[in-house]
Amino acid sequence: QKEVEQNSGPLSVPEGAIASLNCTYSDRGSQSFFWYRQYSGKSPELIMFIYSNGDKEDGRFTAQLNKASQYVSLLIRDSQPSDSATYLCAGLSYNTDKLIFGTGTRLQVFP
Amino acid sequence: NAGVMQNPRHLVRRRGQEARLRCSPMKGHSHVYWYRQLPEEGLKFMVYLQKENIIDESGMPKERFSAEFPKEGPSILRIQQVVRGDSAAYFCASSPRTGGTDTQYFGPGTRLTVL
Repeated sequence: QKEVEQNSGPLSVPEGAIASLNCTYSDRGSQSFFWYRQYSGKSPELIMFIYSNGDKEDGRFTAQLNKASQYVSLLIRDSQPSDSATYLCAGLSYNTDKLIFGTGTRLQVFP
Repeated sequence: NAGVMQNPRHLVRRRGQEARLRCSPMKGHSHVYWYRQLPEEGLKFMVYLQKENIIDESGMPKERFSAEFPKEGPSILRIQQVVRGDSAAYFCASSPRTGGTDTQYFGPGTRLTVL
């Protein structure tokens, strides 16, 4: 079982819609979770992190964490074509400082 | 405030040669992490270093790979006797301190191609 799992996609949504990206993790020691966006051929760019159960909002982005279900999600409201990228979910264990990444979900926002 | 810097951005080596990848962390950051991304795969942790110390190298292959972060100068990831399977993007990230929600910021990466 992979430690962090994501649906590889692609997830296709029309411009203006809400994109919902999901991630599950197996390590209950994971305390913090990060969402990175990666454009093709580029480096990961941090979008948000979350460490408390519930929702965290930043502009068009909302991260959600449910530790009981070991589930993390990222919602992108008013999706734009420029949001088209691969979104990487990563967990950080309390005992280590290494990020464990999922394989990423490719998002396509079409006009 | 400059971000994480990596060089070279692209590196081509023939099988059997050595590859040296450099990473300068963000100003004020003393923790460096190296990750490898194979084509169409996610990022895999390789090694975590602080100045003059390797903290965790559990993700680094036991042979041919080594990393250092000297007191002065950049962190270096060294791959000896490269093979085609080493072709990948190597990303360096830095953070200011350990634990909790410290965010790791990534550099632009070095894309290694082994011929």
